[in-house]
Amino acid sequence: GAGVSQSPSNKVTEKGKDVELRCDPISGHTALYWYRQSLGQGLEFLIYFQGNSAPDKSGLPSDRFSAERTGGSVSTLTIQRTQQEDSAVYLCASSPRGGAGNTIYFGEGSWLTVV
Amino acid sequence: AQSVTQLGSHVSVSEGALVLLRCNYSSSVPPYLFWYVQYPNQGLQLLLKYTSAATLVKGINGFEAEFKKSETSFHLTKPSAHMSDAAEYFCAVGGGRSSASKIIFGSGTRLSIRP
Repeated sequence: GAGVSQSPSNKVTEKGKDVELRCDPISGHTALYWYRQSLGQGLEFLIYFQGNSAPDKSGLPSDRFSAERTGGSVSTLTIQRTQQEDSAVYLCASSPRGGAGNTIYFGEGSWLTVV
Repeated sequence: AQSVTQLGSHVSVSEGALVLLRCNYSSSVPPYLFWYVQYPNQGLQLLLKYTSAATLVKGINGFEAEFKKSETSFHLTKPSAHMSDAAEYFCAVGGGRSSASKIIFGSGTRLSIRP
């Protein structure tokens, strides 16, 4: 597709369950980001993938959160044993190249509600 | 490490008035700076970016921002607000020229326009 695609767009899950959120970046983009958008918290950086380099996981809030990127393209963000405070919009973004000077393009987000 | 602070979570101006959204950054290296906008029920899109060329950067929809190193600021302005400018605005900073450098966002400022 033309843009960053995320699925599901909405997910309601019970506390304690695991969830997987998927991101398809723009074709050919080597850099991929995950951010979390909570009410009043802005955009919280979670993880950054660039090419074949080890990902920057410095923003993951706990060891319940993990992400992988297969074949340098699709990425999956996994949240284990979900808690109510995990409720947020999870945004994926991609960029043609790594590095902080490049424009990043956002998906529409996955809205996660933990009940 | 880098960070960004947006002063004012909510700004309200009258239609036709000056828009000023404040952003201060911290970076140990020369920064890249961005403003992104999120219109209601839409994804984030780039408004403008500073990449060490001209200090006054012009973006879409009549917005501009000025990089002031001495003040570590990158405030966003528009001379005359329009109703369609109502949105959430995010300032972001990226530091370093390495492909490992990532982009960090502020907490956002919601702009409301009064008729």
